[in-house]
Amino acid sequence: AQSVTQLDSQVPVFEEAPVELRCNYSSSVSVYLFWYVQYPNQGLQLLLKYLSGSTLVKGINGFEAEFNKSQTSFHLRKPSVHISDTAEYFCAVSTVTSGTYKYIFGTGTRLKVLA
Amino acid sequence: GAGVSQSPRYKVTKRGQDVALRCDPISGHVSLYWYRQALGQGPEFLTYFNYEAQQDKSGLPNDRFSAERPEGSISTLTIQRTEQRDSAMYRCASSLARSQTGELFFGEGSRLTVL
Repeated sequence: AQSVTQLDSQVPVFEEAPVELRCNYSSSVSVYLFWYVQYPNQGLQLLLKYLSGSTLVKGINGFEAEFNKSQTSFHLRKPSVHISDTAEYFCAVSTVTSGTYKYIFGTGTRLKVLA
Repeated sequence: GAGVSQSPRYKVTKRGQDVALRCDPISGHVSLYWYRQALGQGPEFLTYFNYEAQQDKSGLPNDRFSAERPEGSISTLTIQRTEQRDSAMYRCASSLARSQTGELFFGEGSRLTVL
């Protein structure tokens, strides 16, 4: 079975500091990897995704993530955060098994940017 | 429509009552997903459709939960004989293609409170 683990439930960081939000996955089949962001009282929206090719993926709002197959990780990074980045971030994997698609989310990491 | 629309946004009901939650996906989107999100948790998969066909309902907690998408567009998630443990945010998402690589577009959710 596939699973997604986000080790940090909350990450406080000062404005303009770098941040890394960790995501690990397990799967016996090929996966595609995603990061979504959820601002308060809003739905989730896509930040970036890895499908194939370069393992470093750039997304919106200056975020990037690196796919590491050997470590089964897909950590999200930003070199300098802003107050407006305060939100909840979800890592997700999608797989297909016997023709059935699965789109599974982690439990989320709440990023709190401090002034 | 411009985005995924869910109604009602908020629903308060008494234990034992039936509730129906509606999702109107982005026009032309093939796949439609239902998730449940408890406070502080990630979205938990319930079921998904391609067109009108329910492809996977393995995430529905029990037989009180059902979903349909009769014309391949609007979907309804029905919870019969609601219980307090059913209280959560119910999120709908749609995707343009029947593919594991596509972005999910989420609605703002329906918050259900069972008293």
